[in-house]
Amino acid sequence: KNQVEQSPQSLIILEGKNCTLQCNYTVSPFSNLRWYKQDTGRGPVSLTIMTFSENTKSNGRYTATLDADTKQSSLHITASQLSDSASYICVVSAANAGKSTFGDGTTLTVKP
Amino acid sequence: GAGVSQSPRYKVAKRGQDVALRCDPISGHVSLFWYQQALGQGPEFLTYFQNEAQLDKSGLPSDRFFAERPEGSVSTLKIQRTQQEDSAVYLCASSTGTGGSYEQYFGPGTRLTVT
Repeated sequence: KNQVEQSPQSLIILEGKNCTLQCNYTVSPFSNLRWYKQDTGRGPVSLTIMTFSENTKSNGRYTATLDADTKQSSLHITASQLSDSASYICVVSAANAGKSTFGDGTTLTVKP
Repeated sequence: GAGVSQSPRYKVAKRGQDVALRCDPISGHVSLFWYQQALGQGPEFLTYFQNEAQLDKSGLPSDRFFAERPEGSVSTLKIQRTQQEDSAVYLCASSTGTGGSYEQYFGPGTRLTVT
């Protein structure tokens, strides 16, 4: 069964600090991995997408990494801001599949 | 350009009532997905359409759940005889194609509370 596991479940950091969120998956055959940001009461918004051949992708202060051999990804947030407080969801898609597998997300709280 | 819209945003139903949730995708998007998201969890796949064809409904939890997209645009998710375990946020997403390589654009969701 395709699965996506995220850690930690929740995280609290001070404004300006960096943090790293983890994602492990068992989806096969692998097609791509996305990180989404979901603000409270809103739908998820895509931050990055990586395919098998990519091992890093940046979007502003967000940098995602992918190790397809160990089936692990991380999302690093630099110089956190209060607006970064949200749930970050890892989503993995299998090749030739219409649907994707979502993780349960990491809830990040940035405090002043 | 308008994004994905969903209505109503909030719905309270008494147990046993039927509900209908509407999704207006981005114009021209051929694929439309429905997800159920429980509090503190990620979205769980329910079903998806390519144009008007429902290609996968394997995530629908019971035969009380029914989705349609008759003209390949607006979609409705209907839940009959609602139960308390149906309480969740129902998310709709659309994309320009089918498959994980196409970005899904999500609506704000409908929060359903069954009392």
